Amino acid sequence: QSVLTQPPSVSGAPGQRVTISCTGSSSNIGAGHDIHWYQQVPGTAPKLLISGYNNRPSGVPARFSGSKSGTSASLAITGLQAEDEADYYCQSYDTSLSAVVFGGGTKVTVL
Amino acid sequence: QLLESGGGLVQPGGSLRLSCTGSGFTFSNYAMTWVRQPPGRGLGWVSVITGSGDATYYADSVKGRFTISRDNAKNTLYLQMNSLTAEDTALYYCAKNALHCTTTACYVEWGQGTLVTVSS
Repeated sequence: QSVLTQPPSVSGAPGQRVTISCTGSSSNIGAGHDIHWYQQVPGTAPKLLISGYNNRPSGVPARFSGSKSGTSASLAITGLQAEDEADYYCQSYDTSLSAVVFGGGTKVTVL
Repeated sequence: QLLESGGGLVQPGGSLRLSCTGSGFTFSNYAMTWVRQPPGRGLGWVSVITGSGDATYYADSVKGRFTISRDNAKNTLYLQMNSLTAEDTALYYCAKNALHCTTTACYVEWGQGTLVTVSS
């Protein structure tokens, strides 16, 4: 059971908008710790997608965006493309655990 | 670039030492982290070490069994793993902490991973 909760899967047609939620608590997201998002294409290492909940590293398309509210965060993909099919993970820090925590991951399927 | 090595098959209760060699950046300027991923499952944070090596932190699940260290002269990060159990079976990634993530660590570069299998 992950400290940060993500839906196991989301899907959408090409061009659609999909969102992935990341639900935490008052000891992680709610405590003001930053949220980061990673993309992992099967068989490859994770790649930093969004840092500080809405900062995209160079090379990450603008169709990826992050947001945060209260004890939850979200990753949105607008204009879904076939190459976006991957697993996505949120990550933060938990004060109670004194540890970095990841969400359980969400598999995005492009229909 | 980050390149891990040292993974393999080990019996329960055994030990293994992983290495991660960095290139293309000033190794000592960066905190480094180990993250693991059991087969078919999600990511799990294992341990972090500061750039100078003067501070280390561990997940509760590995505390007292794993030791993270680094040799900046060799641009190499290590993870000594003792008293291994089946629950430690995973792909182990080393990751470079991003300098711009100052309040909550994030990982800007990852190795390809090295597989550790604990089984009799």
